[in-house]
Amino acid sequence: GNSVTQMEGPVTLSEEAFLTINCTYTATGYPSLFWYVQYPGEGLQLLLKATKADVKGSNKGFEATYRKETTSFHLEKGSVQVSDSAVYFCALSEGGRGSTLGRLYFGRGTQLTVWP
Amino acid sequence: ETGVTQSPTHLIKTRGQQVTLRCSSQSGHNTVSWYQQALGQGPQFIFQYYREEENGRGNFPPRFSGLQFPNYSSELNVNALELDDSALYLCASSRAGRGNTGELFFGEGSRLTVL
Repeated sequence: GNSVTQMEGPVTLSEEAFLTINCTYTATGYPSLFWYVQYPGEGLQLLLKATKADVKGSNKGFEATYRKETTSFHLEKGSVQVSDSAVYFCALSEGGRGSTLGRLYFGRGTQLTVWP
Repeated sequence: ETGVTQSPTHLIKTRGQQVTLRCSSQSGHNTVSWYQQALGQGPQFIFQYYREEENGRGNFPPRFSGLQFPNYSSELNVNALELDDSALYLCASSRAGRGNTGELFFGEGSRLTVL
């Protein structure tokens, strides 16, 4: 089946520190991979995505590379800011014919807190 | 462009009651999915609606049901509420079609508390 395993938090960093949040997946097909972010009191927002192996998704200084050989999609940022404090979710979509278009499989989320 | 909107934002019910949550999809989107997010957990897929019919369902009992209307808005109904139904309910929309990568656009959610 499909599942996502995400590094457990919480993660606490000082401003300008390097961030890595690990994510690995199990999938029956050839999925698309996503990172969503949830700021306090808000809904989920797409942070970045990658639909093919060896592709790097990037946005707002965050990056993640789709690694099929290690079934991973780790999130990284070189220098975090206080405003990056949020919960980060790794997710996969089955994709392909016959899949349920709106179905994402989410990890449990990682709470990130950045201190000034 | 209008995003996904949900109502109500918060509500409190008691065990055994019924609840209806509403969602308006983003402009141009024709598919709506519903997710349950328990405290400290990732969202869990409930079901999806496309062309006014259920098109995929997660591991939720039949007392969770839904509707999609011709304007692509949707409702989630939960009967015989249980304490464990307390959660944030998220609606997400997307547009089915060639080249769709599975990206979803989420509303801010309806927080349901069952006492």
